[in-house]
Amino acid sequence: DAGITQSPRYKITETGRQVTLMCHQTWSHSYMFWYRQDLGHGLRLIYYSAAADITDKGEVPDGYVVSRSKTENFPLTLESATRSQTSVYFCASSGLAGREQYFGPGTRLTVT
Amino acid sequence: QQQVKQSPQSLIVQKGGISIINCAYENTAFDYFPWYQQFPGKGPALLIAIRPDVSEKKEGRFTISFNKSAKQFSLHIMDSQPGDSATYFCAASPSGSARQLTFGSGTQLTVLP
Repeated sequence: DAGITQSPRYKITETGRQVTLMCHQTWSHSYMFWYRQDLGHGLRLIYYSAAADITDKGEVPDGYVVSRSKTENFPLTLESATRSQTSVYFCASSGLAGREQYFGPGTRLTVT
Repeated sequence: QQQVKQSPQSLIVQKGGISIINCAYENTAFDYFPWYQQFPGKGPALLIAIRPDVSEKKEGRFTISFNKSAKQFSLHIMDSQPGDSATYFCAASPSGSARQLTFGSGTQLTVLP
């Protein structure tokens, strides 16, 4: 009963590098979300997906790319990392029946 | 544009006291209002949620009060315990199929023993 997992849990990368954060859920939830958490801002939505092959922008999508070829996976890619993307990233999922979102443990990303 | 405003930023309460956190929203399309609890190093977890057709919802020591006309909602934690020390986020979601949550900025609650 893994639920929702994220990898890696911690990542340090350099400015300009591409980095991919992984998210995997075992519930077959239709909806998946990526948020970033920064002090004073709460959680802000980056991208979300209503189903495989359906994605849409959230509040802060610039500099990020997502894909969803399989229902259970929703990777987030920073194409060219910047220091402003240093943050804690949370993936979440939600089923069709209810509106509760279940969050993963987070990935702490540092861009140097 | 911050669509959900949360206050206070931090709150210190004595054990057994009442903790009150307030949120205000602007978007009248919001129709689902959850509260999330987050412990250090963990992801947020749903605590309690309310829809605008009721003015209050209670689950154990946690109560949401909702004022639709004022576009405000609040979380009350009765008999606060040191184990309640965490960061609390209010959020709101619009009707429709998108389901995205807009979060408040969070309240760090400390309950003193």
